Amino acid sequence: QVQLVQSGAEVKRPGASVKVSCETSGYTFTDYYMHWVRQAPGQGLEWMGWINPKNGGTTYAQFFQGRVTMTRDTSISTVYMELSSLRSEDTAMYYCARAWIAAAVGFDPWGQGTLVTVSS
Amino acid sequence: DIVMTQSPDSLTVSLGERTTINCKSSQSVLYSSNKKNYLAWYQQKPGQPPKLLIYWASTRGSGVPDRFSGSGSGTDFTLTISSLQAEDVAVYYCQQYYDTPYTFGQGTKLEIK
Repeated sequence: QVQLVQSGAEVKRPGASVKVSCETSGYTFTDYYMHWVRQAPGQGLEWMGWINPKNGGTTYAQFFQGRVTMTRDTSISTVYMELSSLRSEDTAMYYCARAWIAAAVGFDPWGQGTLVTVSS
Repeated sequence: DIVMTQSPDSLTVSLGERTTINCKSSQSVLYSSNKKNYLAWYQQKPGQPPKLLIYWASTRGSGVPDRFSGSGSGTDFTLTISSLQAEDVAVYYCQQYYDTPYTFGQGTKLEIK
């Protein structure tokens, strides 16, 4: 079955960087975009960007431009999201979510989430 | 950016009742080339990631019970639960994936009366 398994919780100091991984299995890795969405505690969903695992192409939300980098390793079917210059407002649950390249049919499934806490 | 506005922010409904949640986009999300609305609905239960319920505004996702239905086109959309079950307690989000940034509504919290 399709699985997206994310790396564990992180605690970071302000100004540091964090790199979250999303290991996939159960489908053809290069047939699906991977999106990243975050959710601050008690808040709604915020789209961060996507990566095309086939060619590594990316599109980032303007809000995160210059601070976010999405990469992939096709040999292990894993995507990564790195966020730099962390501030307290970046404390959130970070999710990866798959989307079919061939047709726009929403995000399905989602990873279990990675809690990133930014605190001095 | 396309702004997604849901109503109401919260609602309390009795078991077995019909429930509707509305979503309005600040511009049309109807893709002219294929006549599909790039609008999805997600359900998020406490402590869980979101789950896809509906895509293309009205197509149910895999394994989604048929008590969930979506309707609407252009800028106005509705999620309907025909007969509320206890397991439907959750926050529901609409999302447009017509144009980046792909934006979500603020969420509607559904509780049982």
